[in-house]
Amino acid sequence: GEDVEQSLFLSVREGDSSVINCTYTDSSSTYLYWYKQEPGAGLQLLTYIFSNMDMKQDQRLTVLLNKKDKHLSLRIADTQTGDSAIYFCAESMGGSQGNLIFGKGTKLSVKP
Amino acid sequence: DTAVSQTPKYLVTQMGNDKSIKCEQNLGHDTMYWYKQDSKKFLKIMFSYNNKELIINETVPNRFSPKSPDKAHLNLHINSLELGDSAVYFCASSPGRFEAFFGQGTRLTVV
Repeated sequence: GEDVEQSLFLSVREGDSSVINCTYTDSSSTYLYWYKQEPGAGLQLLTYIFSNMDMKQDQRLTVLLNKKDKHLSLRIADTQTGDSAIYFCAESMGGSQGNLIFGKGTKLSVKP
Repeated sequence: DTAVSQTPKYLVTQMGNDKSIKCEQNLGHDTMYWYKQDSKKFLKIMFSYNNKELIINETVPNRFSPKSPDKAHLNLHINSLELGDSAVYFCASSPGRFEAFFGQGTRLTVV
């Protein structure tokens, strides 16, 4: 069945780059997503990448997709304390883009 | 303007009660969803619904039922609440492309 795997924790120092990794299983996923959840808050879409792309950059965020290995990564440049949150990788299930399979989330802690 | 809104934000109730969580979206999307986030922050889809089709995750107990009075609303009804139902429930909607928009969540605590 579909499965999305992420490491659960990442700790970095302010100003460093953070790299959060994710592997997925459904090769038919059209889009892959990164969502951010701050403490006590809802889910915020950070970025997404279409499956025929290798890379997408959006300000401090860089998404890399290795479709052969089914590996997705999110790089946050110049990480700030405000980036501390849980980051969820998600793939769309089948043809419905809102029907998402989420990873267990990576808790990013940014130390000053 | 809130795109996807859920009420209430917090809900505390006793075991055995029946409760509802409301969800409204003003985005004109055709498809709405309910997700459950447990105490370990794991997110799983419960239902997806549009005006044609309801898809139920087979792991969801039949005490949970979505009800859609119209295209902009998908409410979640829960009968005979159990302790294990305590979680954060997220409503979402999608235009069918690109992304799902999530509400802020309803924290349900069953005591």
